[in-house]
Amino acid sequence: DTAVSQTPKYLVTQMGNDKSIKCEQNLGHDTMYWYKQDSKKFLKIMFSYNNKELIINETVPNRFSPKSPDKAHLNLHINSLELGDSAVYFCASSSGKNTQYFGPGTRLTVL
Amino acid sequence: AQTVTQSQPEMSVQEAETVTLSCTYDTSESDYYLFWYKQPPSRQMILVIRQEAYKQQNATENRFSVNFQKAAKSFSLKISDSQLGDAAMYFCAYGGATNKLIFGTGTLLAVQP
Repeated sequence: DTAVSQTPKYLVTQMGNDKSIKCEQNLGHDTMYWYKQDSKKFLKIMFSYNNKELIINETVPNRFSPKSPDKAHLNLHINSLELGDSAVYFCASSSGKNTQYFGPGTRLTVL
Repeated sequence: AQTVTQSQPEMSVQEAETVTLSCTYDTSESDYYLFWYKQPPSRQMILVIRQEAYKQQNATENRFSVNFQKAAKSFSLKISDSQLGDAAMYFCAYGGATNKLIFGTGTLLAVQP
């Protein structure tokens, strides 16, 4: 009965590759988010979707492309991976402006 | 733009004692929420407590309580009867009109047996 799930939990890949991270929530929430946590543990919003529509895009390089096929899913595709993309990526969901619930995170390592 | 500041990079507390983690924020909005999240070594982000800005009463959740001073833009977290399982990184976060959470830099709490 996991609320917010992400796959994979760990991702190790070479520079220049393309990879995707998937997120699913079973809480019935209408808003989903991607956050990035860097090596110093700083968390920053990347994107937010409400009812499948993009509502926040925080000046993220266009190598990052989120996609929301439905309200329960928000995927993150990253093209041409760079060393600086190494981080933990968190998916989260909320009902409107209420509390955000986070997934377990995906640790991406770019070699 | 809103900002969140946690001025204590690390804190330490003895088991069963009380510790207070500090957080200040800056905003011109009148309607907002404040949160404390806990991140243990498992890296899961766990909600500890939440406060609505319009509520004067401080939020409490079992051993966790906040001291919300709206005029001073201060939102500290008090952990009573500290337990070994409380050891984690604690993040203060602001949620306003844009729906995104703005996080502080975190406070790493160690609990000494």
